[in-house]
Amino acid sequence: DAGVTQSPTHLIKTRGQQVTLRCSPISGHKSVSWYQQVLGQGPQFIFQYYEKEERGRGNFPDRFSARQFPNYSSELNVNALLLGDSALYLCASSPEEGRSPLHFGNGTRLTVT
Amino acid sequence: SQQGEEDPQALSIQEGENATMNCSYKTSINNLQWYRQNSGRGLVHLILIRSNEREKHSGRLRVTLDTSKKSSSLLITASRAADTASYFCATDFNDYKLSFGAGTTVTVRA
Repeated sequence: DAGVTQSPTHLIKTRGQQVTLRCSPISGHKSVSWYQQVLGQGPQFIFQYYEKEERGRGNFPDRFSARQFPNYSSELNVNALLLGDSALYLCASSPEEGRSPLHFGNGTRLTVT
Repeated sequence: SQQGEEDPQALSIQEGENATMNCSYKTSINNLQWYRQNSGRGLVHLILIRSNEREKHSGRLRVTLDTSKKSSSLLITASRAADTASYFCATDFNDYKLSFGAGTTVTVRA
């Protein structure tokens, strides 16, 4: 079975622009989470979705939004990009919400210039 | 912050030696997990230890958990070049998110 897939792998945007990142979970996984990893730091939680509903939100501004589709894939949107949004954005899936280990994709490297 | 904190930040060892890294956290947890990350790619889950467990093994990995000290350790025995990576502990203290530390970078020299 395919793992978690994310697209695009790399992206360069200009300050003030908007970006959409996409994630396809492992088949059968209903929970999708998004994490931001700034260079040299650990991943920071952004959102979790389960069965198309937002279950949790991290300490990120309203410029960050996400949604989950009926096929359990997900999109992360970031508006009005700032230089500080440059990071590796990781998507992770699990069969259910809660205490399952997470299965991560290889991430989208976003560079804001 | 609820994040775990790993110690040391970096570790360099010879192939065949053991590598030990520690994680401390601040609040009560449901479980603690260790992940590996190679060269800025995705994280790979290594092992999960529940709050009522004290030690767990998986292949060359040994994890301990001391909830009274709010700390955990990860031991990699007989290290190989392929173990070169960053290792993160992640604490699960609610139902929807993991809190990661800043990681320990391990370099295994041939």
